[in-house]
Amino acid sequence: ETGVTQSPTHLIKTRGQQVTLRCSSQSGHNTVSWYQQALGQGPQFIFQYYREEENGRGNFPPRFSGLQFPNYSSELNVNALELDDSALYLCASSSQSQGLDGYTFGSGTRLTVV
Amino acid sequence: DQQVKQNSPSLSVQEGRISILNCDYTNSMFDYFLWYKKYPAEGPTFLISISSIKDKNEDGRFTVFLNKSAKHLSLHIVPSQPGDSAVYFCAASAREGAQKLVFGQGTRLTINP
Repeated sequence: ETGVTQSPTHLIKTRGQQVTLRCSSQSGHNTVSWYQQALGQGPQFIFQYYREEENGRGNFPPRFSGLQFPNYSSELNVNALELDDSALYLCASSSQSQGLDGYTFGSGTRLTVV
Repeated sequence: DQQVKQNSPSLSVQEGRISILNCDYTNSMFDYFLWYKKYPAEGPTFLISISSIKDKNEDGRFTVFLNKSAKHLSLHIVPSQPGDSAVYFCAASAREGAQKLVFGQGTRLTINP
């Protein structure tokens, strides 16, 4: 059983650019959630995808968008990057049947905006 | 608006002793609580959870206590081991709607030999 994998592990972007982060969910999981963890803070919920539809969104502007694919993998896109977008982006996969205890996080993508 | 708070950024405990990590919440709609452990360069890993219908849940060396009236939960680790050194996050969820977690800021636990 493979876990949640995220790519890339690190990247550096310039303010104003766009970025796409990728996540492969754990086998058997049909729900993907994205979190932003700023330095010294806990992860903050960005949004969740279930069956390729957005299923809940946190307090993030529309320039944060996502996709879920038929194989349940997912992308997080951020447009018009700002310096404050520098953070660790975590993806978590889960299944409706396993509930919250089955929430499995990837190791994250460290985004630095300069 | 910080709905889940971990007021101790760090905690240092001697090996073999009890570690107690605390967490407070403000949203009375939260009815499920989880603790995660995070090592550097890894994602958070699930430790233990508790439903609001219980006041205690135990799993090996880890016990979580929930005081609903005080909106407070705590994680007890006994005995503490060097491998327990990590950042611990408290998280809460309201069962209605998306499987969304609201996290505290984390507490860095250091176990000293």
